[in-house]
Amino acid sequence: EVQLVQSGAEVKKPGESLKISCGASGFSFTTYWIAWVRQMPGKGLEWMGIIYLGDSDTKYSPSFQGQVTISADKSTGTAYLQWGSLKASDTAMYFCARQRGSRHYLDYWGQGTLVTVSS
Amino acid sequence: EIVLTQSPGTLSLSPGERATLSCRASQSVSGNFLAWYQQKPGQAPKLLIYGVSTRATGIPDRFSGSGSATDFTLTISRVEPEDFAVYYCQPYDNSPLTFGGGTKVEIK
Repeated sequence: EVQLVQSGAEVKKPGESLKISCGASGFSFTTYWIAWVRQMPGKGLEWMGIIYLGDSDTKYSPSFQGQVTISADKSTGTAYLQWGSLKASDTAMYFCARQRGSRHYLDYWGQGTLVTVSS
Repeated sequence: EIVLTQSPGTLSLSPGERATLSCRASQSVSGNFLAWYQQKPGQAPKLLIYGVSTRATGIPDRFSGSGSATDFTLTISRVEPEDFAVYYCQPYDNSPLTFGGGTKVEIK
């Protein structure tokens, strides 16, 4: 069974760092990539970037390049999304999702991680 | 970058009625590479349709997709209570991926 299990909700202050995770199982890491998608409160979906679990090859949306870092640990099948210095505007729900390549649909999704940044 | 316009923004229907959701792209989508997702409140999106018209695993046949080039449609033949949600279209013929703004299907 394909599963993407994300880490729990986080409450942080502006300027703090954060790393959230997405644990993958039930499929081959050499076939699929993991994407990260942002959903700000009451808004739509934004594709942030994608990582290949097999070799950590990463592609970013221009809108998020330099704002976040996507990484992975192939040995545990875990993808990560991290911020070096959070802003209030980073407050959002973050989803990970399975994707066969950067030009492919998202067929399985994690449950989401709510990140709240507030002083 | 492609711009997607979904209409209407909100569709108010009674159970049993037909829902017709539109997705219009600012440029032609190649290879029929268009997907639809359903998102219920407090839940992750769920893949409904890919390749314009292929239903994902487990999706009931009351959901159908059609269209080509710049105009695409998601149809729910008879809306069930569990279908009230927000629906997003997404072309995937290019990167970065983009999503439409969504259509909310609400109970009338």
